Amino acid sequence: AQKITQTQPGMFVQEKEAVTLDCTYDTSDPSYGLFWYKQPSSGEMIFLIYQGSYDQQNATEGRYSLNFQKARKSANLVISASQLGDSAMYFCAMREEGKGLTGGGNKLTFGTGTQLKVEL
Amino acid sequence: ETGVTQSPTHLIKTRGQQVTLRCSSQSGHNTVSWYQQALGQGPQFIFQYYREEENGRGNFPPRFSGLQFPNYSSELNVNALELDDSALYLCASSPMLGAEGFLSYEQYFGPGTRLTVT
Repeated sequence: AQKITQTQPGMFVQEKEAVTLDCTYDTSDPSYGLFWYKQPSSGEMIFLIYQGSYDQQNATEGRYSLNFQKARKSANLVISASQLGDSAMYFCAMREEGKGLTGGGNKLTFGTGTQLKVEL
Repeated sequence: ETGVTQSPTHLIKTRGQQVTLRCSSQSGHNTVSWYQQALGQGPQFIFQYYREEENGRGNFPPRFSGLQFPNYSSELNVNALELDDSALYLCASSPMLGAEGFLSYEQYFGPGTRLTVT
């Protein structure tokens, strides 16, 4: 079974500073994907970044980067130059891969989230 | 803008009643997944539909059922509502690429339906 652990219930960061949100995972699957989603108070889950387990380089998307350390089973999200609009709940998630859609392979397993507050 | 829409936005039901939630997938997306998000928790996978068939299910009882229609829209039905069913229900759509069914990592969520059971 897959498990995602996010140990930081809440984080504060000053505007324009960088912040790291922690995520560790546990799986026996050799092929998996790791995701980060942002959930504002409106409720919609917004996709931020994806990292495949076989990707050699850490994923980056604009101000978001994923610090993937496979041996440590961690997939931390780094947000650079924080903005007030970054204040939201952030979820780390995992998906088994390689089974295809017919194997129900689109299931995401989420962590409990980290509430990020960006301050002036 | 993701293009996934859900209705209704909010809903209040009484214990024991039945409810139907609706989801319209983003254009070009032929798979849909449903998630339940209790207050203060991460979303939990309910089930997934592809080509109008359920092909993956989480740890939810049979009173949670669904449908996917030829236009890829979807419904989540919950019978015999319980107080613990109060949650935000999210649907997510994603495309399938290629004849082999290669999974895209793109999975776009709708804004959710907030269900309250009293």
